[in-house]
Amino acid sequence: NAGVMQNPRHLVRRRGQEARLRCSPMKGHSHVYWYRQLPEEGLKFMVYLQKENIIDESGMPKERFSAEFPKEGPSILRIQQVVRGDSAAYFCASSPQGIPSTDTQYFGPGTRLTVL
Amino acid sequence: DQQVKQNSPSLSVQEGRISILNCDYTNSMFDYFLWYKKYPAEGPTFLISISSIKDKNEDGRFTVFLNKSAKHLSLHIVPSQPGDSAVYFCAASATGANSKLTFGKGITLSVRP
Repeated sequence: NAGVMQNPRHLVRRRGQEARLRCSPMKGHSHVYWYRQLPEEGLKFMVYLQKENIIDESGMPKERFSAEFPKEGPSILRIQQVVRGDSAAYFCASSPQGIPSTDTQYFGPGTRLTVL
Repeated sequence: DQQVKQNSPSLSVQEGRISILNCDYTNSMFDYFLWYKKYPAEGPTFLISISSIKDKNEDGRFTVFLNKSAKHLSLHIVPSQPGDSAVYFCAASATGANSKLTFGKGITLSVRP
């Protein structure tokens, strides 16, 4: 089963530490999206990447958050100097073509980040 | 500003009956709509989608209806089964908006045996 893979599934960090979340898209998919879900909320778009390129980062906080999708290896969402408000479930999705109005995004199981 | 609204937080139906989950949107640029199902501690699972050029799409027990003039869509599940109990999210995207999905807050469906 070559679904979207995310690791770790659970991550605990203390305030001020760094968090690194990894996402491997489905086989054949070159478009990756990151979403964040706060408790009792829907998923909120953060960033859209293709291999080696950030296409849309309009949902990313301006500070402390960064994302990359290198030519080789998984996509990484990096949160520096985490604060308690960063505690959430972070979901990665991938799609084959990135074409609006026809492309379906398939989601991974998520990483649940807890900041102590 | 909530561009995709799922105003009912929960719905309870009897097994075998129809479940109707509603979703409203405000952005007239949205032209592709999707429904996802989510169990606790798992990622959303794609269920069904509909393009704005259609008003209905059916896949097995799941049918999605789109009313563009009312900016309203609904997901019908018939017959409902206990395994359908989950949170259902409505999502939308717009051509020219880089495929990003805008989600509603979700509806918790409980199917009683």
